[in-house]
Amino acid sequence: NAGVTQTPKFRVLKTGQSMTLLCAQDMNHEYMYWYRQDPGMGLRLIHYSVGEGTTAKGEVPDGYNVSRLKKQNFLLGLESAAPSQTSVYFCASTQPDGLTLRYGYTFGSGTRLTVV
Amino acid sequence: GENVEQHPSTLSVQEGDSAVIKCTYSDSASNYFPWYKQELGKGPQLIIDIRSNVGEKKDQRIAVTLNKTAKHFSLHITETQPEDSAVYFCAARRGGKLIFGQGTELSVKP
Repeated sequence: NAGVTQTPKFRVLKTGQSMTLLCAQDMNHEYMYWYRQDPGMGLRLIHYSVGEGTTAKGEVPDGYNVSRLKKQNFLLGLESAAPSQTSVYFCASTQPDGLTLRYGYTFGSGTRLTVV
Repeated sequence: GENVEQHPSTLSVQEGDSAVIKCTYSDSASNYFPWYKQELGKGPQLIIDIRSNVGEKKDQRIAVTLNKTAKHFSLHITETQPEDSAVYFCAARRGGKLIFGQGTELSVKP
């Protein structure tokens, strides 16, 4: 049982390049999330999904797109990378109990992205 | 929307002392408050949580208290050990999302 797996773990991009970060979970969780972590700013929600085929914007969605074609996978895309997107990206998942999050999030180990 | 403020940003204690981290939230409808520990190079891990119908919860050396009237909650770590050194995040649930505080870097000196 791997939990939440993120790939890649590290990446360096040039400004304007595109890439996709993959998040995979094997816990059959309904909800999945993408956060970015920057020094002194905690974890900020980029996009999230409450089920296969659904996506919604979080606090800082600009410059990112997401897709949830399969329940176990949640993809984060950068179409045209900018230096301001240099960050550590975390994926998380959880299984809600009705309208309540019964369990805390399970986080992946992160992707460290540098845009030069 | 929900806003979570966390203090202090850094905290240094001697091994064996207690550590307290405080958070305030803005949305009175928030009803779930977890705490996460993040070690260097790893993702955050849930260490304790509390729901709005409970005032205090303990798990060995860790405790969380919640004051709904004042809209603040705190993490208490007793008998700190060097392995408690990490970044700690509080969070509050708004709808189906967790909003996180800015984090506290705890350093426990032997």
